[in-house]
Amino acid sequence: GAGVSQSPSNKVTEKGKDVELRCDPISGHTALYWYRQSLGQGLEFLIYFQGNSAPDKSGLPSDRFSAERTGGSVSTLTIQRTQQEDSAVYLCASSQSVNTEAFFGQGTRLTVV
Amino acid sequence: AQSVTQPDIHITVSEGASLELRCNYSYGATPYLFWYVQSPGQGLQLLLKYFSGDTLVQGIKGFEAEFKRSQSSFNLRKPSVHWSDAAEYFCAVGVGSNDYKLSFGAGTTVTVRA
Repeated sequence: GAGVSQSPSNKVTEKGKDVELRCDPISGHTALYWYRQSLGQGLEFLIYFQGNSAPDKSGLPSDRFSAERTGGSVSTLTIQRTQQEDSAVYLCASSQSVNTEAFFGQGTRLTVV
Repeated sequence: AQSVTQPDIHITVSEGASLELRCNYSYGATPYLFWYVQSPGQGLQLLLKYFSGDTLVQGIKGFEAEFKRSQSSFNLRKPSVHWSDAAEYFCAVGVGSNDYKLSFGAGTTVTVRA
């Protein structure tokens, strides 16, 4: 597609439920990033994919968070047993390679009630 | 680990006035430096970047930034702001060809008054 697409744009879920957030990167971009933006905070790095592999998952805040990428394209970020502190905007970005310009999607606003 | 500080949380500027947003980073070597803008309801858009070479970098929308190694700074400037420049601005740092993490500052919100 023309840009990075994320879905859903908004998600309200009950505490304890699982959620899946989807990112469709720009076609041909091998690098894919997930960030979290909490109110009044900067962007917190979560995970990075090069192709289908994630060399570093250390940014994931807990083992309730996981992510995968299939076919070198679409990525899914899954949060299990959501907590209120998981409420944030989750941003996905892609780039042609490491350290080239990253293009961001518009994010998924997750609200845990 | 690298870190990025944006000292100003919120800046209000009059339309037509100049704007400068501060960014300081903490890292031993020369990092890759970026400024992104996030307009309300929009994703982040790259304004400009510095990798090497000329320390004064020109970006889109009339913005420029200057890398000052001695001050570990990469401040963003615009000579004359427009109402459409009201947004949140983020400075970001990457530290090498093998380091894919962009570390972001907390952001500076710019309000433009008529």
